[in-house]
Amino acid sequence: NAGVMQNPRHLVRRRGQEARLRCSPMKGHSHVYWYRQLPEEGLKFMVYLQKENIIDESGMPKERFSAEFPKEGPSILRIQQVVRGDSAAYFCASSGRTAAYEQYFGPGTRLTVT
Amino acid sequence: DAKTTQPTSMDCAEGRAANLPCNHSTISGNEYVYWYRQIHSQGPQYIIHGLKNNETNEMASLIITEDRKSSTLILPHATLRDTAVYYCIVRVGDDKIIFGKGTRLHILP
Repeated sequence: NAGVMQNPRHLVRRRGQEARLRCSPMKGHSHVYWYRQLPEEGLKFMVYLQKENIIDESGMPKERFSAEFPKEGPSILRIQQVVRGDSAAYFCASSGRTAAYEQYFGPGTRLTVT
Repeated sequence: DAKTTQPTSMDCAEGRAANLPCNHSTISGNEYVYWYRQIHSQGPQYIIHGLKNNETNEMASLIITEDRKSSTLILPHATLRDTAVYYCIVRVGDDKIIFGKGTRLHILP
């Protein structure tokens, strides 16, 4: 049973470019969460999605960031016009509809903005 | 803010049991206790969760006090690969995870 998959694992973008991060949840999971970890800091929640719906985006910066989880295909976190401060590790987690909704994390995408 | 309090760091000798405490005195009746760990900037790894009863799986045991205000994660035979930051989290339903600073566990050879 494959775990949560994220790609690319490493992404380098120049300032002003767009970054697209993909997350494929575990089989049977319909809940996807994105978290960001800045260098030497803790993990911070960004957004929670279910298929075709954003449930909680309270941790998402208001500008340049967007997320989607379409009916078919992976969840996408999009960062437009990247700046150096966007350099971080972005982790995706998924959960199924169990009583405890335990989340399982992917290996992360490390974004470097030059 | 995280709803849990954990020691900043702990040491444990290889082969011994590692006991990681967590206080969650404001836990609600429907909130679960979860433990995750993060090994050197890898993705966080789910370890175990519980509601009221003690739980055990292939990785660890979780002991929850009767009043549910604190818990202890037990790694029965710690190895060097268990060196990581361990996070104790309380959460209800499908809510987001709010990570605190966790406990940095050093396994000593």
